[in-house]
Amino acid sequence: GAVVSQHPSRVICKSGTSVKIECRSLDFQATTMFWYRQFPKQSLMLMATSNEGSKATYEQGVEKDKFLINHASLTLSTLTVTSAHPEDSSFYICSARAGLGKLFFGSGTQLSVL
Amino acid sequence: GENVEQHPSTLSVQEGDSAVIKCTYSDSASNYFPWYKQELGKGPQLIIDIRSNVGEKKDQRIAVTLNKTAKHFSLHITETQPEDSAVYFCAASTGNQFYFGTGTSLTVIP
Repeated sequence: GAVVSQHPSRVICKSGTSVKIECRSLDFQATTMFWYRQFPKQSLMLMATSNEGSKATYEQGVEKDKFLINHASLTLSTLTVTSAHPEDSSFYICSARAGLGKLFFGSGTQLSVL
Repeated sequence: GENVEQHPSTLSVQEGDSAVIKCTYSDSASNYFPWYKQELGKGPQLIIDIRSNVGEKKDQRIAVTLNKTAKHFSLHITETQPEDSAVYFCAASTGNQFYFGTGTSLTVIP
């Protein structure tokens, strides 16, 4: 299957700092990427849909000024958590839509805000 | 919008037995149904998928069935092994969006 690379896998930061997470499609071009948040033992919660060259579409209740998404190329989307607080601690996962509409996920980023 | 329900939430089976996970969906426009396996601390991995023009698909020990009329689809794992232990998610897609079930935690007991 197609490969989606997500970095970093784990990040610990101080409250008030910003954290950037990268999501790359390694062997295909992805016009659409998705960002999810996952709490322990729960399902995937869609945060936003990222389309190359245009503004991301955020789900209801997701603060677009706090979770900045940039999809500047067909192989890279980034999620920046601005002014992170402990309540932002979570597992963040990206995914990218490949050929035939198949969806492939990155390996996830565990964010811990102290 | 689409609503995907998944059952059971937890499932324990003896090694070598079969496991079945069931999902239902509400939007008849959904036409693509993937299944994902997620291990602890990792992202979901696509293990099998089926499109609405097919009723069944098999890949070695795993198979998926789809009943469009009843709007339900199932994942079947035969001859389960300890490494099959993970959380499994079903999903339904209309092409633009993906809607996920709540997950099934499968434990295979050696």
